[in-house]
Amino acid sequence: NAGVTQTPKFRILKIGQSMTLQCAQDMNHNYMYWYRQDPGMGLKLIYYSVGAGITDKGEVPNGYNVSRSTTEDFPLRLELAAPSQTSVYFCASRAYGGADTGELFFGEGSRLTVL
Amino acid sequence: KNQVEQSPQSLIILEGKNCTLQCNYTVSPFSNLRWYKQDTGRGPVSLTIMTFSENTKSNGRYTATLDADTKQSSLHITASQLSDSASYICVVSARGSYIPTFGRGTSLIVHP
Repeated sequence: NAGVTQTPKFRILKIGQSMTLQCAQDMNHNYMYWYRQDPGMGLKLIYYSVGAGITDKGEVPNGYNVSRSTTEDFPLRLELAAPSQTSVYFCASRAYGGADTGELFFGEGSRLTVL
Repeated sequence: KNQVEQSPQSLIILEGKNCTLQCNYTVSPFSNLRWYKQDTGRGPVSLTIMTFSENTKSNGRYTATLDADTKQSSLHITASQLSDSASYICVVSARGSYIPTFGRGTSLIVHP
């Protein structure tokens, strides 16, 4: 199993550009999450999904969109990039069954810089 | 509001020494607490999980404790190694919730 795979690993965007961060998992996990991590601030939840076709906002959803058309994929869309979106983005997944006990499996992160 | 507070924010120790990281939480109703290790430039990886009935659990040189009455947990690292240099994140889940609560992490640097 590859686990959780994120692409790209690094990206530089200009203000106002758009892009999609890709996330795929091969563990058949129902729950998937997008977090951003800023220096010294910990991980903040952007969006999450409890299954294909179901998504919901987290703590910091403004400026982002997600979709979940399959169990495996959970892309994060940035529209009109702003410098405040410069961060490291992590995708994570968790198995169904005891939603509150399952281990989160994280990808390696996508480092985004908006100039 | 569910919160997780970790201390210290950062810690520098010499190789071979022991250290203890702290985690206080107000998550309710409590389900479990996990400690994750995040190496620089990598995603977090789970070290251990503590449920309500567990007081102590070891994973090699890592020992986690839980006091559910005072809502405190600690992670003790014995005989530290250079590879222990990382951020350690305390994550607490409420019963029935899809969304765990993250602490900000403790950054540990182990010097030779």
